[in-house]
Amino acid sequence: QVQLQESGPGLVKPSETLSLTCTVSGGSISDYYWSWIRQPPGKGLEWIGYMFHSGGTNSNPSLRSRVTISVDTSKNQISLKLSSVTAADTAVYYCARAGLFTPDNWLDPWGQGTLVTVSS
Amino acid sequence: EIVMTQSPATLSVSPGERAALSCRASQSVSTNLAWYQQKPGQAPRLLIYGASTRATGIPARFSGSGSGTEFTLTISSLQSEDFAVYYCHQYNNWPYSFGQGTKLEIK
Repeated sequence: QVQLQESGPGLVKPSETLSLTCTVSGGSISDYYWSWIRQPPGKGLEWIGYMFHSGGTNSNPSLRSRVTISVDTSKNQISLKLSSVTAADTAVYYCARAGLFTPDNWLDPWGQGTLVTVSS
Repeated sequence: EIVMTQSPATLSVSPGERAALSCRASQSVSTNLAWYQQKPGQAPRLLIYGASTRATGIPARFSGSGSGTEFTLTISSLQSEDFAVYYCHQYNNWPYSFGQGTKLEIK
């Protein structure tokens, strides 16, 4: 059974770069698309972007200039970097698996999420 | 971007009763629609994909219907563990998008 676990700093200063890692266990990251989604406290879900294990990636136009998503197949990890953060980037960040060879897919499973607070 | 609108924002229903949650897309998403359940402090859990297919392990009291722009999630007989927030999600066009959620609360 595939499981996902997000990790990274829980506190980031304004203007700095948020860096998170999603570690996949119980299965390979190969052949699947992997996604990042976030949820501000008390609010709904927002797409950040997705990536294929071989490098194909896309990100939400509203965040595109600040988002970098990468994959390390040797470690079975997906990474997210979000630059120039502000308080508006405070959220629970989730990674989730999308489709086999396609990003046009439902999300399952999800990681448990990690709260990142942007504050000085 | 496709805007997903869920209604109502909050639905109050008694245990044992039926609940119907609505999700409307600003343009057709065919049947490329999923539903998720989220409880406080937990990640969303996949319930339905392809508009009407139950995910593995999801009880039969959950059903999904619709295509194009109008979708419904129906819970036939509410159990205590069903009170949560429900989100719809279109994966037909990038950027994919979620509805704002419907909170299902105990009446």
